[in-house]
Amino acid sequence: RKEVEQDPGPFNVPEGATVAFNCTYSNSASQSFFWYRQDCRKEPKLLMSVYSSGNEDGRFTAQLNRASQYISLLIRDSKLSDSATYLCVVNDGGYNKLIFGAGTRLAVHP
Amino acid sequence: NAGVTQTPKFRVLKTGQSMTLLCAQDMNHEYMYWYRQDPGMGLRLIHYSVGEGTTAKGEVPDGYNVSRLKKQNFLLGLESAAPSQTSVYFCASSYSTPWEQYFGPGTRLTVT
Repeated sequence: RKEVEQDPGPFNVPEGATVAFNCTYSNSASQSFFWYRQDCRKEPKLLMSVYSSGNEDGRFTAQLNRASQYISLLIRDSKLSDSATYLCVVNDGGYNKLIFGAGTRLAVHP
Repeated sequence: NAGVTQTPKFRVLKTGQSMTLLCAQDMNHEYMYWYRQDPGMGLRLIHYSVGEGTTAKGEVPDGYNVSRLKKQNFLLGLESAAPSQTSVYFCASSYSTPWEQYFGPGTRLTVT
């Protein structure tokens, strides 16, 4: 079983749509959670951290469910520029390493 | 600031050849990482360093060696390249925890 599992997609949505991605993790000792974004043939970049109480950053909302070991990312009012692969990331239970999911691809069309 | 840079950007090797990938960061970061990214596999950690002079194995260390002689540089070596090492290699660094990692642009390596 992979440590971090994501639906690979692609999610094809029109501009203005709301789209949600989910992710599950297997290590119950993980305590830090993130979403990274990776554009095609580019390096990953931190999009946002995920806090226990849930958090928003503009059009992006992240939620954490520790009991189910589940993380989500909601994007409202999708823009063409949101087209990318979204990587779910958790720490390995320690303080030195992150575990990256394989990513969910989003394609926003006009 | 250049951020994180990687040299070279592209390379083609024959099986059995050796090479060194260089990662440099100018952000005074303590932590540095080497990952490989393959289709459908996500980023997998090869080796990492939590400070100058230290290195540790990640998830897929076999066939690779690393050195961190200077804080700003992290070198990844392939002693005898194999086709299974064809991949995109990313270097990353972070300040004092691994949470916000800054990535280099990647090195695309093909081993024939």
